[in-house]
Parts: sequence; structure tokens; C-alpha cells
Amino acid sequence: DVKVTQSSRYLVKRTGEKVFLECVQDMDHENMFWYRQDPGLGLRLIYFSYDVKMKEKGDIPEGYSVSREKKERFSLILESASTNQTSMYLCASSRPGTSGVLQETQYFGPGTRLLVL
Amino acid sequence: GQNIDQPTEMTATEGAIVQINCTYQTSGFNGLFWYQQHAGEAPTFLSYNVLDGLEEKGRFSSFLSRSKGYSYLLLKELQMKDSASYLCAVRDPADKLIFGTGTRLQVFP
Repeated sequence: DVKVTQSSRYLVKRTGEKVFLECVQDMDHENMFWYRQDPGLGLRLIYFSYDVKMKEKGDIPEGYSVSREKKERFSLILESASTNQTSMYLCASSRPGTSGVLQETQYFGPGTRLLVL
Repeated sequence: GQNIDQPTEMTATEGAIVQINCTYQTSGFNGLFWYQQHAGEAPTFLSYNVLDGLEEKGRFSSFLSRSKGYSYLLLKELQMKDSASYLCAVRDPADKLIFGTGTRLQVFP
């Protein structure tokens, strides 16, 4: 079974703090993704990565950065947390679509519910 | 631009059949996924369509028409545990998923 784990289920931080959200997958997937999920807005892509040390901006990268030093780990960093970053953060991983398995889905972690006060 | 539409909420009765529609307009298409998400949990994979037609998997089926930019998820013999949000997502050629806002389904006894 594919397993994607996230470092915390719940997190409370103060405005201006630097926040690290960690994601680890155990299936040797090349692709990793960070989303945030807000009511009425669905899942929105923040950043993604196709391989170690690679990163690409998603639809809403402002205020975030990422790090992928190892294949299994993809970190999301909030340099200076703000209240509008209060959200549910979901990490996902997948094999590339070119892997030959067309229905290769993304596997999601349990999510981190972040509250910024 | 990228746009995926699905109804916000639906209700149904236990044992009934419900169809959740999804229409999309995206700049690229490399398959359409349906996910189920229970409150407070991660989305889990339900189905995948890349060719036109119906894919059946037990009580769940998914249909795709690429020419119409349309898909639906059909849930039969509804159970209380099917109360969840159902997310429609299109994969683009860069392996990214573009999600709709989700349909919250409530099943009543």
C-alpha cells in the first residue's frame, strides 16, 4: 500500500512565524505535490516537484516555498505565516504519467490543518 | 483558462441511485479522475477515465465524453457511508491535477 505521511495533523502558529510542513512517501514516486484546500475553493496547487531538487510553481505559490532534497521528502515552507494561510494542507505523490500506467493516480497524505493566529 | 464545474451539494436516500455531473474546459487533457473525500480526511481514488464511455467498478461507475467535456459519477445502492465530498479532477499533460470544488453528498436513511 502506498503511504504518504505528513508531519502534523494539526498545527497552530502565530503571524510572522516560519512554518515547515513535511511530507514523506514510501513508494519511490517521482512526482510530489502540495495543495491547500479551502471551503468553496477546492484543492489548489501550491508547488510541485518532478524529481529531487526540482520544483515548479503551481497556481498559488505566493507566500510559500518548497524543498526537495531527497526523493521521498517534500517540504512546504511558509516563510512568514499570515492569517490568510490558515487552511488544510494536503501533500500528494504519484508516478509520472509516462510510467506506462495511465491511471496512475495521486496518493494523498492525511492533511495538516494549520491555524495562523 | 481552466474550469471544472460540479454541483456544490446533493442529497439522496439510502438505497437510491445518484449521478454527480462534472463539466470541464481545460487547455490539455490526460484523463479524468474522481476522488471521494470524507470530512477531515484525505481524498481517495475512485475512478479514472481517459477514453469515452463508461467504467464500472462495483457500486460506482464513471462516464466520460471528451467531445462534450463532460463526466459523471454514478453511485448505486447508496449507503450511509457514501456521505462524503466527491471531487472531479482533470489531469493535464504535465501530470498536474486540476480540481473542481467538489460535490458534498448527504445520504439520508
